[in-house]
Amino acid sequence: GQSLEQPSEVTAVEGAIVQINCTYQTSGFYGLSWYQQHDGGAPTFLSYNGLDGLEETGRFSSFLSRSDSYGYLLLQELQMKDSASYFCAVLNDYKLSFGAGTTVTVRA
Amino acid sequence: EAGVVQSPRYKIIEKKQPVAFWCNPISGHNTLYWYRQNLGQGPELLIRYENEEAVDDSQLPKDRFSAERLKGVDSTLKIQPAELGDSAVYLCASSHGFGTGPNEQFFGPGTRLTVL
Repeated sequence: GQSLEQPSEVTAVEGAIVQINCTYQTSGFYGLSWYQQHDGGAPTFLSYNGLDGLEETGRFSSFLSRSDSYGYLLLQELQMKDSASYFCAVLNDYKLSFGAGTTVTVRA
Repeated sequence: EAGVVQSPRYKIIEKKQPVAFWCNPISGHNTLYWYRQNLGQGPELLIRYENEEAVDDSQLPKDRFSAERLKGVDSTLKIQPAELGDSAVYLCASSHGFGTGPNEQFFGPGTRLTVL
């Protein structure tokens, strides 16, 4: 089996930095993806880490440590539109298995 | 480029009734996925197609759920009969083939099913 752990909720103010941690247990691990989902909307792809290290895409960065079975998503310069749920997902056997998600609330 | 299209967006049915969901993936995407998302949870894979072949249906409750992807393009997911516990959002996603494909999936808006 497999499991993913991520915090259920995070609240921060505009302009702040938020880090969402994700720890996982799985076999046949290929990589870690992150998705964003606004309330009532479709999940949208943010980033993927297949190798250890940091991937940066604009205000969002994602990190992976295979040896620690750990990754994180870093949201910088938070904006109100970043209020959403964020899911980490492990890729193995050509499929994604999602965590329960972290709800990020950005306050003015 | 048009995104993944799903219909209907919402469906309310009585328990024991049948229901079907339809998905049109992004043109050229040979891999299609159906997920179920319960409130406050992440999407859970039900079935994955490579072209018209169901290559992973291990999590599909086959006693009441069925799916097809004729001609390797559109797909339908059916529940018959529906149970109260089937109330959820049913998401369709598509991606390119293996390589960078599976980690970057494109999701449709989903069908929100309510079973009364």
